[in-house]
Amino acid sequence: GAVVSQHPSRVICKSGTSVKIECRSLDFQATTMFWYRQFPKQSLMLMATSNEGSKATYEQGVEKDKFLINHASLTLSTLTVTSAHPEDSSFYICSAPLTTDGYTFGSGTRLTVV
Amino acid sequence: GEDVEQSLFLSVREGDSSVINCTYTDSSSTYLYWYKQEPGAGLQLLTYIFSNMDMKQDQRLTVLLNKKDKHLSLRIADTQTGDSAIYFCALDSSYKLIFGSGTRLLVRP
Repeated sequence: GAVVSQHPSRVICKSGTSVKIECRSLDFQATTMFWYRQFPKQSLMLMATSNEGSKATYEQGVEKDKFLINHASLTLSTLTVTSAHPEDSSFYICSAPLTTDGYTFGSGTRLTVV
Repeated sequence: GEDVEQSLFLSVREGDSSVINCTYTDSSSTYLYWYKQEPGAGLQLLTYIFSNMDMKQDQRLTVLLNKKDKHLSLRIADTQTGDSAIYFCALDSSYKLIFGSGTRLLVRP
């Protein structure tokens, strides 16, 4: 079935540095990618929607300058957390809609900022 | 906007049935989904139901949809320890998925 490959699965970075998370669609083209954030023991909150070749759409309260999203090709969408701080530590998950069976999700990235 | 609610925790004995409930406010969703999340992992689609259906059965899983009450449930028959995870219901709303808060299912041996 359609798979989204998300990397890295786990990253630890120092405060003030930037971290890039990649999601690649395997065997299908993802014109849209959703980026979610999940705090411990909480639900997934949609951060932004990226569309190939156009600017991402951010949800209310999400800083677009802090969470840079790029969707330059039909198989790759990236989320860059810029100038990361400890409060950015979270679990980030990408998801792509499918023509059948709803949505497919990446395996998630656990970001820890120290 | 859409509001999706679930009870936070459910504990069952191995072999019993589990029923996880979900209520929502927006009735315009075409599909309603159930996802499973194991610790530190992404989401796995378990099953989904089309909004014009009342029930869907898929092996040990039974989904019931009561559109009048805006209530969705997931029944897991013969629950196993491997079913221990967090279960999310999710609805399509304005071409986005809106998730419930998740129900943590604990299966006791």
